[in-house]
Amino acid sequence: AQRVTQPEKLLSVFKGAPVELKCNYSYSGSPELFWYVQYSRQRLQLLLRHISRESIKGFTADLNKGETSFHLKKPFAQEEDSAMYYCALSFGGATNKLIFGTGTLLAVQP
Amino acid sequence: GAVVSQHPSWVICKSGTSVKIECRSLDFQATTMFWYRQFPKQSLMLMATSNEGSKATYEQGVEKDKFLINHASLTLSTLTVTSAHPEDSSFYICSARAAGGLAGELFFGEGSRLTVL
Repeated sequence: AQRVTQPEKLLSVFKGAPVELKCNYSYSGSPELFWYVQYSRQRLQLLLRHISRESIKGFTADLNKGETSFHLKKPFAQEEDSAMYYCALSFGGATNKLIFGTGTLLAVQP
Repeated sequence: GAVVSQHPSWVICKSGTSVKIECRSLDFQATTMFWYRQFPKQSLMLMATSNEGSKATYEQGVEKDKFLINHASLTLSTLTVTSAHPEDSSFYICSARAAGGLAGELFFGEGSRLTVL
């Protein structure tokens, strides 16, 4: 069955420290992976997608098919990065559903 | 950017009544809309997928007779919680995928908090 796992419920770092939010997935087909972010009192929004290989707000994520991982990284955390981060998997079929991991709350301390 | 609006933002109802939640894509056409449910401090659980003009596809364990979904147009989907009970109290979130958009790129509504007394 398809599954997204985020092992950390909370990650607390100091400003300027590196950040890595872990995500592992389970899917037998070719995965499409995304990171969504939810800032306080705001709606969920797309942060980045693996197919674009982009860097958004300093965040990057590389798909590692061997380890079935899609960890989110940022070299220097900022206070404004504090938010809830969800890893998501889109998989096939006519409707291309999107399922989410349990989320990791990133708290960046000053 | 694309905006998805949900209404109402919150609703309180008595047990046994039905509640309708609307999800609208304001500036784009949404061929597919998804309904999620989120319990406190938990992740989003996909309830169903609705495509315009066709019946919704429900996830395993979601009662289709309790959670009625209608996707009558390319900009509107509705979720009706029928004969609501306290255990239906939750945060319901809709999302929409634009026509021609990437499979996993969804635009989310602000959510609707349902409290059943």
